[in-house]
Amino acid sequence: DTAVSQTPKYLVTQMGNDKSIKCEQNLGHDTMYWYKQDSKKFLKIMFSYNNKELIINETVPNRFSPKSPDKAHLNLHINSLELGDSAVYFCASSATHEQFFGPGTRLTVL
Amino acid sequence: AQSVTQLGSHVSVSEGALVLLRCNYSSSVPPYLFWYVQYPNQGLQLLLKYTTGATLVKGINGFEAEFKKSETSFHLTKPSAHMSDAAEYFCAVRNRDDKIIFGKGTRLHILP
Repeated sequence: DTAVSQTPKYLVTQMGNDKSIKCEQNLGHDTMYWYKQDSKKFLKIMFSYNNKELIINETVPNRFSPKSPDKAHLNLHINSLELGDSAVYFCASSATHEQFFGPGTRLTVL
Repeated sequence: AQSVTQLGSHVSVSEGALVLLRCNYSSSVPPYLFWYVQYPNQGLQLLLKYTTGATLVKGINGFEAEFKKSETSFHLTKPSAHMSDAAEYFCAVRNRDDKIIFGKGTRLHILP
């Protein structure tokens, strides 16, 4: 059983396009996150939602918009994609101290 | 502000040798500390964590870490490296805002 799943696993697109990445967790956790991992493997938090409410919003361009339709889902929509958006995006969820990560979505912007 | 410093972006050890990955943190409050492992093309997996209590924490795959408050360190060790341990390792600290701050990672290479 997959605890935190993301789709798609790979996403290749042109500059200027709009794309979405979906995340679902079946752990019953209240809190979900989006992280960006750059080419140097540096991980940085982007957003955090608790019970569908935004609680952490780092200095992320407003082209990035998270949406949480329910507690088990946190999707990431990106408008007007830029070359610098190329990275691996990880979704995670947590109930207490530990975060459980999804397998990642590798986004390549051409 | 809290931060995490991992000494050495790459560490190489021979198979069977001791693994030591260093992590120092800065925190104004008692921290929650974590080590995560990332295998190629995969997500992060929790190796071990320190929240309260015993300062020597045992994790999966034979890894352990010791929280040393006086040294603000949380180094990861394994007595005997295995080829399957080759991966990227991340030290992390959690602050009161529920935000986890990750170190820049250490790539562990295992030499045959």
